[in-house]
Amino acid sequence: GQNIDQPTEMTATEGAIVQINCTYQTSGFNGLFWYQQHAGEAPTFLSYNVLDGLEEKGRFSSFLSRSKGYSYLLLKELQMKDSASYLCAVRDSNYQLIWGAGTKLIIKP
Amino acid sequence: SAVISQKPSRDICQRGTSLTIQCQVDSQVTMMFWYRQQPGQSLTLIATANQGSEATYESGFVIDKFPISRPNLTFSTLTVSNMSPEDSSIYLCSAGRGDGITEAFFGQGTRLTVV
Repeated sequence: GQNIDQPTEMTATEGAIVQINCTYQTSGFNGLFWYQQHAGEAPTFLSYNVLDGLEEKGRFSSFLSRSKGYSYLLLKELQMKDSASYLCAVRDSNYQLIWGAGTKLIIKP
Repeated sequence: SAVISQKPSRDICQRGTSLTIQCQVDSQVTMMFWYRQQPGQSLTLIATANQGSEATYESGFVIDKFPISRPNLTFSTLTVSNMSPEDSSIYLCSAGRGDGITEAFFGQGTRLTVV
């Protein structure tokens, strides 16, 4: 079966750095996505990785290792507004997105 | 990127009735999808809306309960039929260009409560 694993909840301090991990087992691989979702709102796109390595976008970076079936989202200089759920999704061989359950990130002052 | 307008944003409906949710994209897209998200949970794909043909439904979802229309490349509707309280959820429309390298965009979501 297909499976995406990410931690249920994480807590971090404002101004700090946090890494949210995602491991996956899917039938084929055509890219990995990270989305941010604030409570009661729709998910918004953060990053896309299809090749191994690190993609940096301002305070957010995403890393992929296809051989390990592993990705992480790195958030730097955390702000209170970063409190949200972070969803990892993998596009499989049928170009369908397989979603993780999401990681709820709580930022404390 | 694409902007997706979804409406209504929320509704409270009586059991046994039906609600149609509309999704309008500001550019032509190949792929449109409908998801359901229960509170605190991740997204569950209901179906892929195909332009000019019947939607492709995922396991556990049927056309009689969730009829979908896709009359053109920028618009789709999802109807939740004969609603029960178990249908209370957030329904999300998503679209992408289907070229394998394009991120999926989401509408604002419809928060449905069935009483």
